[in-house]
Formats: sequence, C-alpha cells, structure tokens
Amino acid sequence: EAGVTQFPSHSVIEKGQTVTLRCDPISGHDNLYWYRRVMGKEIKFLLHFVKESKQDESGMPNNRFLAERTGGTYSTLKVQPAELEDSGVYFCASSQGGVPQETQYFGPGTRLLVL
Amino acid sequence: KNEVEQSPQNLTAQEGEFITINCSYSVGISALHWLQQHPGGGIVSLFMLSSGKKKHGRLIATINIQEKHSSLHITASHPRDSAVYICAAFYFGNEKLTFGTGTRLTIIP
Repeated sequence: EAGVTQFPSHSVIEKGQTVTLRCDPISGHDNLYWYRRVMGKEIKFLLHFVKESKQDESGMPNNRFLAERTGGTYSTLKVQPAELEDSGVYFCASSQGGVPQETQYFGPGTRLLVL
Repeated sequence: KNEVEQSPQNLTAQEGEFITINCSYSVGISALHWLQQHPGGGIVSLFMLSSGKKKHGRLIATINIQEKHSSLHITASHPRDSAVYICAAFYFGNEKLTFGTGTRLTIIP
C-alpha cells in the first residue's frame, strides 16, 4: 500500500511568487492534515480536512494560504503571494477516519524556500 | 495554551547505551504520539499511547497521565537510531496534533 506522498519535494521561489503544494493521502483515508515546521521551531498544525470539508483551519496563518481538497482525495496548499517567513517544511498526514484521534501517517514533506 | 515540551533538545551517546527522551505536556491530553524522523527522511509514527507502556523491538514508550509525562527509551542503541524523535499530543476534543520541538539523537559507533 502506497504511503502519503507529497509533491514537490523541494521548491525554491522568490518572494511574491505563488507556490502550490500537493498531498496524496493513503487511499481510503478520509482525514487529511497539513502541518508546517519553520526553521528552529516545532511542527505546527495548519488545517484538517474530513473528506472534502475543512474541519479545522485554525492554524492557517493568514489569507495568503489556501487549501483545497476537491473530491475528497488529494489536497493542494497554495501560498500566494509567498513571503520570506513562509519558508519551512510542509508536512501532510492522513488517517483513516471514523475513530477519534487515530494514528496519523505522514508524508515526506515539501521543503519550501522563499528568497 | 496547549504545550508539549521535550528534553533534552540534543543527545549524543555511544553505541550500546540506554537512551531516554522525555516529554511533558499540559492537562487534557488524551493520547500521545512518538514519532521519528531520520535525516532527510519523512516522519514515521513509532507509538501512540494513552496509558501504560508499549514496546516494539528495542523501543519502549511509557506514559504517566497523572504526572503529565511520557518517556521514550531505546535499549542497546545503534548508530541507525540516530534521528530526531518527536512527541506529539492529542488534546481532548482535538483531532490535530500538538508537537514538541524534537530531540536530536546521535549515536556514535
């Protein structure tokens, strides 16, 4: 069974540009989470989808970040326009759903550098 | 504010040593994840526990709900155990994880 995959693995962009990150959860997993680690800090929650619905987006830093999960399969996280402080590693995780607080399975992360 | 704190931040040990990494958290936790990230690698879930102890190979995780503390132990440590170990908590009513800052473990041959 394929794990959580993320694309791209690395992205280097200039301030003001747009970047779109993609996450493919484990097939059949209803829950999809986005997390972020900025340099030297702990990983922090961004948002949580249940199927195609946003369950919790309390961690989204501002309106430059837009997450979608059309059809309840893969998800995209768009940053527009990117700022220097958006640099970090963006992780996606998924869990099956139906049971509260299940084990989450993480993707390899996308390393974003904004210059 | 939910907080998860880990210690030590960095740990270097000789191969074969017994390793302990600590995690403390504020009230209201319902479960705790221990995660591992090798250099350049993704995050792997090692354990999720809400009480007692779990063991997998040379790894042992314990949690004391009353003391708000969890530990991850590695017996007979090996250089391949070198990684960042992260604890992350589920607080009651939350599906999101709250992470500690991680412990960077280096095992020297």
